[in-house]
Amino acid sequence: GENVEQHPSTLSVQEGDSAVIKCTYSDSASNYFPWYKQELGKGPQLIIDIRSNVGEKKDQRIAVTLNKTAKHFSLHITETQPEDSAVYFCAASGSGGYQKVTFGIGTKLQVIP
Amino acid sequence: GAGVSQSPSNKVTEKGKDVELRCDPISGHTALYWYRQRLGQGLEFLIYFQGNSAPDKSGLPSDRFSAERTGESVSTLTIQRTQQEDSAVYLCASSLVGGSKSEQYFGPGTRLTVT
Repeated sequence: GENVEQHPSTLSVQEGDSAVIKCTYSDSASNYFPWYKQELGKGPQLIIDIRSNVGEKKDQRIAVTLNKTAKHFSLHITETQPEDSAVYFCAASGSGGYQKVTFGIGTKLQVIP
Repeated sequence: GAGVSQSPSNKVTEKGKDVELRCDPISGHTALYWYRQRLGQGLEFLIYFQGNSAPDKSGLPSDRFSAERTGESVSTLTIQRTQQEDSAVYLCASSLVGGSKSEQYFGPGTRLTVT
């Protein structure tokens, strides 16, 4: 089955700096890669996703990149703000009917004001 | 509109007791997922329901765990003879359709503590 590895497990950045979280996956058939943000005491919430037919996607301060050859994808947050502090999960899934979504272990991001 | 709701929000139980956790998905969502999240860990898939299809139970860790869903509505996750290692947050998510084609919306979770 699919295996998703995520690093770093914790990340501290100064407000205004950029944060990068990296993930690798094992199943070359995976073609959908969502990122979720989990705030304390809440369930994860989708913030951005990317499919294998594109190499990069951007939404305001958040961007994701995908390298299918190397089987890795990354989340980039620019101009970080204190409200970006949360746990971020990457995930990978195949296509065609139901495919289980496999999550990474999560990255705890702390933005220091 | 209303999101995914779960109850109870917190549950403390004694080792050996049975517990039942409830999930109310977003109305109209055909897919429903249960995950387990141990402290400081990632999301561990437990079970998936899609419409009237047979559920994918491949993630259930033991036969003490079971889940039911009636149609496209409420789901219950039951843990029998609870053990301390069952302590975790149990998250439910629903999506409009299954698989990679639709965003999963998560509930706030039920925090289970087995003493």
